[in-house]
Parts: sequence; C-alpha cells; structure tokens
Amino acid sequence: DQQVKQNSPSLSVQEGRISILNCDYTNSMFDYFLWYKKYPAEGPTFLISISSIKDKNEDGRFTVFLNKSAKHLSLHIVPSQPGDSAVYFCAASVNTDKLIFGTGTRLQVFP
Amino acid sequence: DSGVTQTPKHLITATGQRVTLRCSPRSGDLSVYWYQQSLDQGLQFLIQYYNGEERAKGNILERFSAQQFPDLHSELNLSSLELGDSALYFCASSGRQGVISGNTIYFGEGSWLTVV
Repeated sequence: DQQVKQNSPSLSVQEGRISILNCDYTNSMFDYFLWYKKYPAEGPTFLISISSIKDKNEDGRFTVFLNKSAKHLSLHIVPSQPGDSAVYFCAASVNTDKLIFGTGTRLQVFP
Repeated sequence: DSGVTQTPKHLITATGQRVTLRCSPRSGDLSVYWYQQSLDQGLQFLIQYYNGEERAKGNILERFSAQQFPDLHSELNLSSLELGDSALYFCASSGRQGVISGNTIYFGEGSWLTVV
C-alpha cells in the first residue's frame, strides 16, 4: 500500500522555466511533509518541508504547496537551473514518526 | 558529507547467502533508520532504532534483522538472500526520537547490494 505517491516518474524542463513536481498521499493523519533531493551515488538531502497547519512554505527558489482537502503536495522550482537535475522524493510523517517516501520523480533541466 | 557513514559501498553476493550492512550515525545522533530503495521503488522504510531500542518497524522481511549497539552504530543483517533483495540500502540518523524537521535527519550514501 503506497501511502505517498509520485505519479510522474520523470519531468523535463527548460532552464529558467518553472518545474512543478507533484505528490499525492492517502493517509489523512500525515501532519508533516518534506521534499528530498537525490543526486546519483549520494544519499537524499533535505530540501524543504511544510507542516499540515500551513498551505505554503517558501525558501528561495523552492516553494512547497499543500492542499489537504485534495491530499496533494507540490514543489515549485523557479527558475529551474541545470544543477536542479536530480531525483526528488516527497515524504510524509505522522506525529514526527518515521518518514514515508514516494517513489521519486527524476527532474531534468536542459539549457 | 552528511556525517553518516555506511559500509560497504558495494557488495555482490550469491543467492542464499547472508550479508551485514553497517551504519555509523552522525556524532551524537541517537536514532538510526534503515531504508531500502529498489529499482522503480521509492525509499521503503525498514526499521528504526533509538538509543539501542527498536522504535518503529516498516516493511522489513523476516529474513532481515537489525540492531543498534551501545556505541550507537547499527547493522542490518540480510539472510537467505534472493535476487529481489538487490537494492540500495540507506541508513539515516537523527538526534531526536522522531522527525522534528527535515533538516534533523541525515542520510548516508547507501550500500549497493547486488544478489546474483
């Protein structure tokens, strides 16, 4: 049972444009959501997070939006840069418990 | 460098064999998490230890076991290996019992296990 789903395995975006990565979840008890970025041969690194009491959190070029009624999470990267090319995982937790990850979306930013 | 060290980085073994993956958490971190990433799969949570005690269990097979030692390093034991166990196994550590914020949990580079 995949509680956190990333239905797009890959995304290709031109440099300078907006990248939008989507994530859906099924467990309404999730109260904390995170995005991780992973380069090849490296472990995932934390990117940005959002608590369920908020609907938006922004950090530089990265913004995470949370729509609780739709059980949907999205990550916006503006403007996209070639260095953003990586696999992005969304993750969720209940009451600060273990992280449940999605399957990942491979983002490629081309010049 | 996250400060989380995993060994070995790569391992090739035959079906039916047993292997041990090792994780040294960041200095001072009490929680250790193990995750499995298979082809086309996300990061599947296996198990968590906090200060030597098992705290949470995920989709960990009975053939797999883990422990956390007094010096806080952890080992993941995989036995009776099958081809489907080939995956990247990540260890993560945190100074807290749970996930307080994203930047309190750090991942190692992973151990690549190939079962042939």
